Amino acid sequence: LAKTTQPISMDSYEGQEVNITCSHNNIATNDYITWYQQFPSQGPRFIIQGYKTKVTNEVASLFIPADRKSSTLSLPRVSLSDTAVYYCLVGDRNSGNTPLVFGKGTRLSVIA
Amino acid sequence: ETGVTQSPTHLIKTRGQQVTLRCSSQSGHNTVSWYQQALGQGPQFIFQYYREEENGRGNFPPRFSGLQFPNYSSELNVNALELDDSALYLCASSQDRDRVYGYTFGSGTRLTVV
Repeated sequence: LAKTTQPISMDSYEGQEVNITCSHNNIATNDYITWYQQFPSQGPRFIIQGYKTKVTNEVASLFIPADRKSSTLSLPRVSLSDTAVYYCLVGDRNSGNTPLVFGKGTRLSVIA
Repeated sequence: ETGVTQSPTHLIKTRGQQVTLRCSSQSGHNTVSWYQQALGQGPQFIFQYYREEENGRGNFPPRFSGLQFPNYSSELNVNALELDDSALYLCASSQDRDRVYGYTFGSGTRLTVV
């Protein structure tokens, strides 16, 4: 699976938009980009997934440039409850034998 | 629709002992994966079961074994526990091994080996 690189940590104030960028230079043609959120002592929670351009849901937006070598998770107007670790993963979503490969993620701290 | 449930939530074992962790997958999901998460690290893949058969394994020794039952629930067994086995063990389920909608994770079992 393509290796990903993300910032170790980020701080933000409440109400701000937060953008977390992930690098995946070796992404393969069939790979999708998926982001998970994890709170302390809980399992990761699926946030959003995309292949190219832009994807938006009720929680976040995912921006993927044409070369797909990076992606940006955008969280609009964060609140204290968005404090969590965010993981960027890439992989072929239709290859059931390939496991999810997590890095260390980005620890987001939202400050009042 | 119920999510993924794991039991127990916390467990303390002595080095050398054996432990069994349990997972009930989300309704309609037939694939279960197990992950180990050490403090400050991302989850690491242990193995995956699809329709009662193991169909993927990470870099974990044979003393980590598992089962999946006809109702798609699953067990993770660890023999000869070592101090480094202390971690959060996560179970995740999905439908037909694809990840279109992502995996659904349980809240995990916190295992402490002393």
